[in-house]
Amino acid sequence: EAGVTQFPSHSVIEKGQTVTLRCDPISGHDNLYWYRRVMGKEIKFLLHFVKESKQDESGMPNNRFLAERTGGTYSTLKVQPAELEDSGVYFCASSPSTDTQYFGPGTRLTVL
Amino acid sequence: KQEVTQIPAALSVPEGENLVLNCSFTDSAIYNLQWFRQDPGKGLTSLLLIQSSQREQTSGRLNASLDKSSGRSTLYIAASQPGDSATYLCAVRGSGGYNKLIFGAGTRLAVHP
Repeated sequence: EAGVTQFPSHSVIEKGQTVTLRCDPISGHDNLYWYRRVMGKEIKFLLHFVKESKQDESGMPNNRFLAERTGGTYSTLKVQPAELEDSGVYFCASSPSTDTQYFGPGTRLTVL
Repeated sequence: KQEVTQIPAALSVPEGENLVLNCSFTDSAIYNLQWFRQDPGKGLTSLLLIQSSQREQTSGRLNASLDKSSGRSTLYIAASQPGDSATYLCAVRGSGGYNKLIFGAGTRLAVHP
């Protein structure tokens, strides 16, 4: 069974540009989560989808971040425009229920 | 507001030692607690999940305990090996109907031959 996959693995952009991160959850997992770790800090929750609906987006830092999960399969996280403080590692996780969350390898975002 | 603390922040031990990693949380109203392992540049690998009604879970050389009332969990690693070198993360899920995990900062473990 394939795990959670994320694309790209690394992204380097300039301040003000737009970046879109993609996450493909484990097949059949209705729950999809986005987290991020900024330099030197703990991993922080961003939002949670159940199928295509946003269940909890309390961790989204501001309106420069837009997450979508059309059709309830893969998800995208767009940052527009990117700022320096957005640099970090963005993790996606999925779960079939409310228990174990399975994490992807992360996307390392560097904003210059 | 739930806060998760992990002690120690870093640990370096010789191969073969038995280890205890500590995790504490401020709000005892949790749904479950999960221990993860992260290798450099890699994602998180789930090691053990303990439901709030459980006291411990075991997998191979790993044993995790949970004392919800005191807000503590420990991860015990028996007979450590160099391959155990990684960062170990503790995360709690609250009982308020949301699935989000609250993470500690992790314990960076180095096991040398």
